[in-house]
Amino acid sequence: AQSVTQPDIHITVSEGASLELRCNYSYGATPYLFWYVQSPGQGLQLLLKYFSGDTLVQGIKGFEAEFKRSQSSFNLRKPSVHWSDAAEYFCAVADTQGASKIIFGSGTRLSIRP
Amino acid sequence: DTGVSQNPRHKITKRGQNVTFRCDPISEHNRLYWYRQTLGQGPEFLTYFQNEAQLEKSRLLSDRFSAERPKGSFSTLEIQRTEQGDSAMYLCASSLTGDFYGYTFGSGTRLTVV
Repeated sequence: AQSVTQPDIHITVSEGASLELRCNYSYGATPYLFWYVQSPGQGLQLLLKYFSGDTLVQGIKGFEAEFKRSQSSFNLRKPSVHWSDAAEYFCAVADTQGASKIIFGSGTRLSIRP
Repeated sequence: DTGVSQNPRHKITKRGQNVTFRCDPISEHNRLYWYRQTLGQGPEFLTYFQNEAQLEKSRLLSDRFSAERPKGSFSTLEIQRTEQGDSAMYLCASSLTGDFYGYTFGSGTRLTVV
């Protein structure tokens, strides 16, 4: 079965510093991969997605992610974080069989140091 | 259409009581999903509907849980004889069949069982 692992529970970075959030997936074929962001008490917002093609994908709010098949990874990056980026970030993979549901990792909480 | 709407936003109930949540999806979306999110975890799939048919249920969905989607429009999720372990955020999402681009989440209903 498909799954995603986010090894970092909580990360703190300084405002203006670069960010990389790690995600590893388990899936036999080419996966459909996503990054979502969730602010406190809110629903989930899609940051970006990878289905095929260019392995570097651009998303909203200045985020990007790189798909690396050899490492089964889909890490999220941002060159310079803003205080408003503080939130919970979820990596996810699509189960393309049956329900076509999205399966989420456990999340990484991002804090921003002023 | 303003997106996926969930009501109520918050619900506090005593253990043993029944509760019902409502989700109104984006009107043209034929798929509707329910997820549960506990503190510090990613959303976990509970069940989904295609139109009015409930096509998959997670093993997380015990006999105390029931979901309906009459006429393929809004959906309700009922929990009978609530337990403290049911305390969580219950998220609803909708999409068109196979359309991962348009998988849209509501803001959720936070349930607290005391």
